[in-house]
Amino acid sequence: GAGVSQSPRYKVAKRGQDVALRCDPISGHVSLFWYQQALGQGPEFLTYFQNEAQLDKSGLPSDRFFAERPEGSVSTLKIQRTQQEDSAVYLCASSRAGVIETQYFGPGTRLLVL
Amino acid sequence: QKEVEQNSGPLSVPEGAIASLNCTYSDRGSQSFFWYRQYSGKSPELIMSIYSNGDKEDGRFTAQLNKASQYVSLLIRDSQPSDSATYLCAVKLAGGGADGLTFGKGTHLIIQP
Repeated sequence: GAGVSQSPRYKVAKRGQDVALRCDPISGHVSLFWYQQALGQGPEFLTYFQNEAQLDKSGLPSDRFFAERPEGSVSTLKIQRTQQEDSAVYLCASSRAGVIETQYFGPGTRLLVL
Repeated sequence: QKEVEQNSGPLSVPEGAIASLNCTYSDRGSQSFFWYRQYSGKSPELIMSIYSNGDKEDGRFTAQLNKASQYVSLLIRDSQPSDSATYLCAVKLAGGGADGLTFGKGTHLIIQP
């Protein structure tokens, strides 16, 4: 079946601009995760949803970052007033259920803030 | 001390040899461990998961877990040039921390033809 999809694949933003990144998880997957991957680093956890409930947002770096999954399927990660340090690849992953199940990653959105 | 440590490499291995990738973690109570492979410019893909002490084999790949030493490794037998990638060790930490996986920085593996 279809894997995790993300859009846009690339985004260039001017500093101070707001951006919205979309994730379509694998159909039927209950759990959805957002990660941020800086160049040369491993992914870093941002936030976790189980269905529509955001159960963990401890990794969000500032209050400029906001994520939602209103109907328990598609999720959006929004970054307000982007800064240069927000430049990274944003990865979405989904799993059937729970945090120890295998997580399947989408292709990522590469964000460049100028 | 970072919670999940890997040698960033590069680790260079001749084709046909065994590649050995290592990872240590700080949270003694962790129960779930994963190895992901990431090609340049691509997203991570799962190679192996391991939950119990000992070895787990899948084709050319063997994951080894030693919870007492807080150590997990990945062996790749009969290495192929297509195995050249960054290998990420990921741990679900138990210590009441984040619900997501904690990743190491990754080891860059180069298989020399």
